[in-house]
Amino acid sequence: DVKVTQSSRYLVKRTGEKVFLECVQDMDHENMFWYRQDPGLGLRLIYFSYDVKMKEKGDIPEGYSVSREKKERFSLILESASTNQTSMYLCASRNRGGNTEAFFGQGTRLTVV
Amino acid sequence: GQQLNQSPQSMFIQEGEDVSMNCTSSSIFNTWLWYKQDPGEGPVLLIALYKAGELTSNGRLTAQFGITRKDSFLNISASIPSDVGIYFCAGQFSGGSNYKLTFGKGTLLTVNP
Repeated sequence: DVKVTQSSRYLVKRTGEKVFLECVQDMDHENMFWYRQDPGLGLRLIYFSYDVKMKEKGDIPEGYSVSREKKERFSLILESASTNQTSMYLCASRNRGGNTEAFFGQGTRLTVV
Repeated sequence: GQQLNQSPQSMFIQEGEDVSMNCTSSSIFNTWLWYKQDPGEGPVLLIALYKAGELTSNGRLTAQFGITRKDSFLNISASIPSDVGIYFCAGQFSGGSNYKLTFGKGTLLTVNP
């Protein structure tokens, strides 16, 4: 079974802190994604990566950056956390190719105070 | 980004009832996926659809890929309390990047025992 693991289930950070959210997948997938989920807004794509060191902005990249130094690991970085970044963050991975499903991690509930 | 309209937003049903939800798109999709998210967890894939007209079942769940390639529905028969959660559709549209999926905003299902 595909496993996508996010490093933390719950995080509480202070405004202005630099925050790292880590995601690791064990199926050698080329594509990895970071979403945030907010009530009434569904899943919104922040950034994605289609290969090591490659990244593209999603629909809401402002205030975030990402890093993909190894194929299995995709990190989301909040450069200076703000209260409006309090949310559920979901990592996903997907194999290359037109018809493949995305597999999700368990999510990280981030609260910025 | 691409728009997916998922309805209904929420449903309150009695145990044993059947449930139907659907997604429509303004663009042609070549992949439809249906996910379920339990409270506090990441989405889990229920059914994947890859061909127009395809009808696929997974236990009490049935999903179809619309002939026009612009819609899909998910039916749950004889609902049980553990069906509670948020159901998401996701699609990949033809001609687009093969990296990204577009998600609906979700249907929140509540089942009263």
